[in-house]
Amino acid sequence: DAGVTQSPTHLIKTRGQQVTLRCSPKSGHDTVSWYQQALGQGPQFIFQYYEEEERQRGNFPDRFSGHQFPNYSSELNVNALLLGDSALYLCASLRLAGVSDEQFFGPGTRLTVL
Amino acid sequence: GQQLNQSPQSMFIQEGEDVSMNCTSSSIFNTWLWYKQEPGEGPVLLIALYKAGELTSNGRLTAQFGITRKDSFLNISASIPSDVGIYFCAGQSGNFGNEKLTFGTGTRLTIIP
Repeated sequence: DAGVTQSPTHLIKTRGQQVTLRCSPKSGHDTVSWYQQALGQGPQFIFQYYEEEERQRGNFPDRFSGHQFPNYSSELNVNALLLGDSALYLCASLRLAGVSDEQFFGPGTRLTVL
Repeated sequence: GQQLNQSPQSMFIQEGEDVSMNCTSSSIFNTWLWYKQEPGEGPVLLIALYKAGELTSNGRLTAQFGITRKDSFLNISASIPSDVGIYFCAGQSGNFGNEKLTFGTGTRLTIIP
């Protein structure tokens, strides 16, 4: 039973560029959340997708957008990258109304903006 | 964004010692959770607390949900080398598992040989 997977593992971009990160949820899960974890900090909630729609959003600018596909996988897009966007981006999944309400995290994508 | 206050920020202990860390918030949470994160991995859930005053154990780990709903603590007894990592508290405002997690600033645990 595969857990949450994310790609790529590491990514280097320059300021002003755009980036797309990908997440495949744990088998049987239908809800995906994205978090940003700056160095030395705890993760911060970006947004959550369920039934291909954004359901909840944290305090992040519109440069951060996402998408969920019919197979429940998800993408996080960040436009006009800033140096401050350098962070570990975590994806978490769960099955809404499932037996367990635990959110399972992937290993993350390390984004470096130069 | 909001981050919960965790203390201590870091701990250096010897194997076999007990560990205690806590987490405070300016707002009320209805669910408190404790996670552990190791290098190259995402956070892994250790303990979940759903009721004010609740005391829950998971092996050598014990956590409590504060009566005011604004704090929680985690104890680790008889620490072992594999306990090394960063421990995060997290709160959820509601009682639904899909609600966003508000994380603390983390406590880094190092075990001195």
